[in-house]
Order: sequence, then C-alpha cells, then structure tokens
Amino acid sequence: EPEVTQTPSHQVTQMGQEVILRCVPISNHLYFYWYRQILGQKVEFLVSFYNNEISEKSEIFDDQFSVERPDGSNFTLKIRSTKLEDSAMYFCASRRQGSRSYNEQFFGPGTRLTVL
Amino acid sequence: SQKIEQNSEALNIQEGKTATLTCNYTNYSPAYLQWYRQDPGRGPVFLLLIRENEKEKRKERLKVTFDTTLKQSLFHITASQPADSATYLCALLITGNQFYFGTGTSLTVIP
Repeated sequence: EPEVTQTPSHQVTQMGQEVILRCVPISNHLYFYWYRQILGQKVEFLVSFYNNEISEKSEIFDDQFSVERPDGSNFTLKIRSTKLEDSAMYFCASRRQGSRSYNEQFFGPGTRLTVL
Repeated sequence: SQKIEQNSEALNIQEGKTATLTCNYTNYSPAYLQWYRQDPGRGPVFLLLIRENEKEKRKERLKVTFDTTLKQSLFHITASQPADSATYLCALLITGNQFYFGTGTSLTVIP
C-alpha cells in the first residue's frame, strides 16, 4: 500500500542553523501539506502546495519557512534560521484531489526536530 | 476567534462500552469534517469523513454525526476494545485547502 515517507525521523540542530525536512508524498496525489505538532499540543497547519506553488499558508508560516518540490517526487520544508520554539514534530501529508473534493489526507510518520 | 474544541482531554471507558467523543466549532462553515486517530509519536491516520449535507456516517464500529446547526460532530466507537486506545482528532476544511485540527481527545479503553 502506498504511503507518505519522511526523512530524517529525528533531526537535532543548533539554534540559528538551517534545516531541510524531506517528504515523498504518494505518487498520484496532487495536494501536499506540512503540519507541525509541538509536544502535547494540537496539529497545526503550516502550508498547502499545489501545482508547484503555495496554495495557502498559516500565520505560523513566516519568512523563515519555505517549501519546494524540486523534482517529481520530493517535497521539502526549509527553516532558514531555527529557533528554540521550532522544536516540534513536523508532518507531511498528501491528498489525491484538491480544493473541496471529499477525500482524506495521508500523513507521513513525521520528523522530530529538536533545536538546541 | 476561530476555535475547534474537543471534549475533555482524556476519556476512560470500560471495554465493550460505547465511547462518544465531541467536536465543537465556532465561526466556521466547513464543507466537511474528518476524524483521525493518532497514536503516540505517529502521524494521524484517517478514519471517517462526513459532508455538510450528511447527518450520519458509519464504518464498522465507528459512527460520526454532523449537526451544522449546533456546529458539532459526535464520534462514536461501539463495542470498544483496548486497541481503540489512542488520541482522536477532528479536522475541518476551513478554506479551499486549509485544514484546522481540534485539540484531540485521549481515549483509554480499560480491559
């Protein structure tokens, strides 16, 4: 069964460093997402991506964040200069159809980011 | 302000009973609502979706209701089992492609 994969599973970085989190969505899916979940808190929407551009983004997704789909399979989240408060689990998700079509998101296993 | 609330952070029930979880929202008119299961350290897993024009949806031991007047969804697990123990999340499609998740309810089914 196809699944969303994410690498690395755990990333430790120093404050101020750049990190890139990687995701491989399900191959025939059209919409891609990044979410974060701070330990013990709710899943928070960061950004959605369609047709090689950002579809929507939340207020969390500021200039420190960027997303890219560099080839036909990978989908990346870059944090330019990490802060302590960026420590969280980051989930990638993909969806087969877009906009208001009625179908679910498939989530990856997550990358745990620890900023020291 | 926009808000999605799920009932009590933790719910404990006896095996075999029906668990009922609540998702309340304000200031939204979602096209549909989803329920997910999340186990510790894992990503959410989709369970059920219910559209704004549907009142009820079932899948095996799961049942979801959606009352757009009350702005509430109820999620039921019948004949609950210890393996049902997890955190359950509701999620709303707020705009074209932006999903908001509730705070989650941690369910423990006691053998």
